Amino acid sequence: EPEVTQTPSHQVTQMGQEVILRCVPISNHLYFYWYRQILGQKVEFLVSFYNNEISEKSEIFDDQFSVERPDGSNFTLKIRSTKLEDSAMYFCASSRLAGGSDTQYFGPGTRLTVL
Amino acid sequence: GESVGLHLPTLSVQEGDNSIINCAYSNSASDYFIWYKQESGKGPQFIIDIRSNMDKRQGQRVTVLLNKTVKHLSLQIAATQPGDSAVYFCAESMFSGGYNKLIFGAGTRLAVHP
Repeated sequence: EPEVTQTPSHQVTQMGQEVILRCVPISNHLYFYWYRQILGQKVEFLVSFYNNEISEKSEIFDDQFSVERPDGSNFTLKIRSTKLEDSAMYFCASSRLAGGSDTQYFGPGTRLTVL
Repeated sequence: GESVGLHLPTLSVQEGDNSIINCAYSNSASDYFIWYKQESGKGPQFIIDIRSNMDKRQGQRVTVLLNKTVKHLSLQIAATQPGDSAVYFCAESMFSGGYNKLIFGAGTRLAVHP
């Protein structure tokens, strides 16, 4: 069964460094998302992406964050200058149609630890 | 691990019993609802969904009930098994302008005892 994959599974970085989290969505999906989950808290929406554009972003997704689909398969989340409070699990998700009409499938996540 | 610092409501059941997990959602305009299961260290796994034009939907061993009047969603798991032990999240979504996001609830931990 097709699934969303994410790399790396765990990323440790120093505060102020840039990180890039990578995702390969399910191949026939058109809508892509990033969510995060701080330890002990609920999953929070960051950004949705369709047709090479951000379609919606949350207030968490400030100027330090960016997303890109550099080729036909990868979807990346970049954090330009990491802060301690960016430490969290980051989940990529994809859906075939707009999320309100179709299921979003999640990847296994990348655990980001900022020291 | 994942459970450090986690203060979720916990439902403890015996193996073979039925489980009912409840969720109150926030937005009366939400029109699509999903239950996800999250095992320790893993991403949310889709279980079942329901649209606002329905009040009940059944899957394999799972049933979702939707009460729009009181903005309440429940997940029923029949004959609960040890493999069902996980944190369960409800999520709501509203189709708006062609794109939308999932809003997750706080989660409930299900502990199945043999």
